[in-house]
Amino acid sequence: GAGVSQSPSNKVTEKGKDVELRCDPISGHTALYWYRQSLGQGLEFLIYFQGNSAPDKSGLPSDRFSAERTGGSVSTLTIQRTQQEDSAVYLCASSFRDDTQYFGPGTRLTVL
Amino acid sequence: ELKVEQNPLFLSMQEGKNYTIYCNYSTTSDRLYWYRQDPGKSLESLFVLLSNGAVKQEGRLMASLDTKARLSTLHITAAVHDLSATYFCARGTSYDKVIFGPGTSLSVIP
Repeated sequence: GAGVSQSPSNKVTEKGKDVELRCDPISGHTALYWYRQSLGQGLEFLIYFQGNSAPDKSGLPSDRFSAERTGGSVSTLTIQRTQQEDSAVYLCASSFRDDTQYFGPGTRLTVL
Repeated sequence: ELKVEQNPLFLSMQEGKNYTIYCNYSTTSDRLYWYRQDPGKSLESLFVLLSNGAVKQEGRLMASLDTKARLSTLHITAAVHDLSATYFCARGTSYDKVIFGPGTSLSVIP
């Protein structure tokens, strides 16, 4: 079946612009995570959605970052007024409750 | 504090040798995950360990879980170049988000 998809795969933007990153999880998966990974680094947790519960936003690095998940499915991560330090690969993962996470291919964001 | 540690963070090993990667976590866990990430790629699941004493094996990789010691190990047998990747462990519970370790970068050299 279809896996987790993310779009765009690559995004180049200018400093100060807003960007939206999209994640389509596996159908039926209740949990959705966003992570950030800088080159050669580990995973930085950003936000976690689980069913109808309030999202865990504890990993969002600043108020420029926000995310929503509509209808318990598609999620959008928005970064406002992008900065060069936002450049990274943004990974989305979904799971059924606390089962194994399935990761998308990622969006590589470059802020010039 | 919720914490997952891995040891070592970097590992260079010769082909044919055996080695073990260790994963310690700070609080009780319902399950322990192992993932692999190839350079420039996303993460893929290797194992899910659900109970104390659980052991899973696939090919040259074997993972085990000791919930009393809050320790999981990933043992590599007779390493081959194809195993070069970064390996992440992660701790999960039914009531909170999954916490990942920092990853172990493995390089298998001839």
